[in-house]
Amino acid sequence: ETGVTQTPRHLVMGMTNKKSLKCEQHLGHNAMYWYKQSAKKPLELMFVYNFKEQTENNSVPSRFSPECPNSSHLFLHLHTLQPEDSALYLCASSLTSQETQYFGPGTRLLVL
Amino acid sequence: GQQLNQSPQSMFIQEGEDVSMNCTSSSIFNTWLWYKQDPGEGPVLLIALYKAGELTSNGRLTAQFGITRKDSFLNISASIPSDVGIYFCAGQANTGNQFYFGTGTSLTVIP
Repeated sequence: ETGVTQTPRHLVMGMTNKKSLKCEQHLGHNAMYWYKQSAKKPLELMFVYNFKEQTENNSVPSRFSPECPNSSHLFLHLHTLQPEDSALYLCASSLTSQETQYFGPGTRLLVL
Repeated sequence: GQQLNQSPQSMFIQEGEDVSMNCTSSSIFNTWLWYKQDPGEGPVLLIALYKAGELTSNGRLTAQFGITRKDSFLNISASIPSDVGIYFCAGQANTGNQFYFGTGTSLTVIP
């Protein structure tokens, strides 16, 4: 299943680094999402984009900066992260906002 | 935000056994979804439920939308080793509202 792809799959970065996560969906969907998944916690919704416009920012710190250049691509730019930001970052897409979501495989991020 | 409670948190079962898990919320939902997440992968949609009382099957999996609309159930019959993973429920109060996710039920199948 390659409907939603994410790169890289694994990332290790220092607290002063700048890196970006990429998500691409091939499903013809118009809404894309970033979630953070930490151990033993529910999925945390971070950002929602609908038709390239950000419609939700769930009080995410500014060290996470999303970018959605078109309906098929979504980026998460990372800058001066903290060790507690280490988690699995999942991208999802749906036909329109808040319809059934389809997830990518995630990027496992470790901040040292 | 809305919290969904899943139980049990983890299960260890013998291959061939049936599995039951459930998800409850404090408020009414109009849509329930069940996902499975394999280690190192993203969640994959298993079953979607849109009507109270609805019973839907996908192979050995059967899910039910509770009649109170505050709960949902997932059953797996004759478990096999590849059923191992974390099962998440997700609920939506109304069309256009955010989906909320449960904390997951971790399933281990012992051959």
